[in-house]
Amino acid sequence: GAVVSQHPSWVICKSGTSVKIECRSLDFQATTMFWYRQFPKQSLMLMATSNEGSKATYEQGVEKDKFLINHASLTLSTLTVTSAHPEDSSFYICSARERHFSLNNEQFFGPGTRLTVL
Amino acid sequence: AQSVAQPEDQVNVAEGNPLTVKCTYSVSGNPYLFWYVQYPNRGLQFLLKYITGDNLVKGSYGFEAEFNKSQTSFHLKKPSALVSDSALYFCAVREGGANNLFFGTGTRLTVIP
Repeated sequence: GAVVSQHPSWVICKSGTSVKIECRSLDFQATTMFWYRQFPKQSLMLMATSNEGSKATYEQGVEKDKFLINHASLTLSTLTVTSAHPEDSSFYICSARERHFSLNNEQFFGPGTRLTVL
Repeated sequence: AQSVAQPEDQVNVAEGNPLTVKCTYSVSGNPYLFWYVQYPNRGLQFLLKYITGDNLVKGSYGFEAEFNKSQTSFHLKKPSALVSDSALYFCAVREGGANNLFFGTGTRLTVIP
């Protein structure tokens, strides 16, 4: 149980285009999803927290107009990188927490999406 | 404010030997502590967590970690390392009542055959 998927697993796009990454909780309902970015040989940096049906909360320094997050249902959140540039190339990882959240619950992580912007 | 320190970027250990990956933390309230493992181009896999109770926590794949409140540490251990344990390990902390995890910088474990 508690499986989180991401699609696509990797994507290559041209500079200036937009890319959408999907994060799905397959066997549970997630009221909260988190989006992380990981640079090579570095830790995960939280980009934003999304709650189903409401606007995402972005971390300081993350451009909300560039990284659009939508959490329209209890099983799906999307991250859209708009007008992508080479510096946006990174590994993007989402995680989800169950609807019936208790303090003991850990986050369940997706497998990640490798974005390369040419 | 919360923070996590993993003082070693790289740990090398011979197969069959015990391994330790260090983690110290700083939180203002009660800590919820986690260890995750990441294989190349993959997301994070949960290993174990400490919420409350026994200080020694046992997790997946034979790993365990000991919560030490006085030293604010949560070191990851395994009695006998396998080559397949080679991966990137992340320690993470969440304050009680907080929403998100804060990760350390990761430690790359290499088990030498």
